[in-house]
Amino acid sequence: GAGVSQSPSNKVTEKGKDVELRCDPISGHTALYWYRQSLGQGLEFLIYFQGNSAPDKSGLPSDRFSAERTGGSVSTLTIQRTQQEDSAVYLCASSLVVGVFGTEAFFGQGTRLTVV
Amino acid sequence: AQTVTQSQPEMSVQEAETVTLSCTYDTSENNYYLFWYKQPPSRQMILVIRQEAYKQQNATENRFSVNFQKAAKSFSLKISDSQLGDTAMYFCARSGANSKLTFGKGITLSVRP
Repeated sequence: GAGVSQSPSNKVTEKGKDVELRCDPISGHTALYWYRQSLGQGLEFLIYFQGNSAPDKSGLPSDRFSAERTGGSVSTLTIQRTQQEDSAVYLCASSLVVGVFGTEAFFGQGTRLTVV
Repeated sequence: AQTVTQSQPEMSVQEAETVTLSCTYDTSENNYYLFWYKQPPSRQMILVIRQEAYKQQNATENRFSVNFQKAAKSFSLKISDSQLGDTAMYFCARSGANSKLTFGKGITLSVRP
């Protein structure tokens, strides 16, 4: 596609339910990022995928959070047993890697998650 | 850890005036990229400008320019002739060899009419 696509754009879920957020990166981008952003706050890094390397999961806040990237393209972020503090905008970004350098990241519109 | 620091949480500027947003970073690499992103209320992140560390010349994009001081590990963004549409959150970011893109905490810029 022309840009990074995220779905759904908004999600309201009940506390304790599981949710899946989807990211479709720009074709050919080998690097993919997930960030979380609370209202008016900065970007909290969650996870980073680069090619066939093991993902960098160092930002995942708890074991309720997991992500996978199938076939080096689409990625799914799963939050199990959601809590109210999980409410935030979840942003996905992708970038080319030229040689060993990541170039600028292109962001999706984000998924606004509200846990009630 | 390779960090990016934006020490000012918010700034305000009068329309048509110039404002500078500061950013410092930590790295042990010689080659890397630096970026400034803008996030308006629509929440779509937009790349404003990028700088390659091996280039000494400061990058410019219309009203936006950077002051890149490699030895000081400083990368400030200057916005000239500020416009109301410049009101947004601005993020500084760095990427390097085999390393992920790392963002600062951001700064909220308000342009006053």
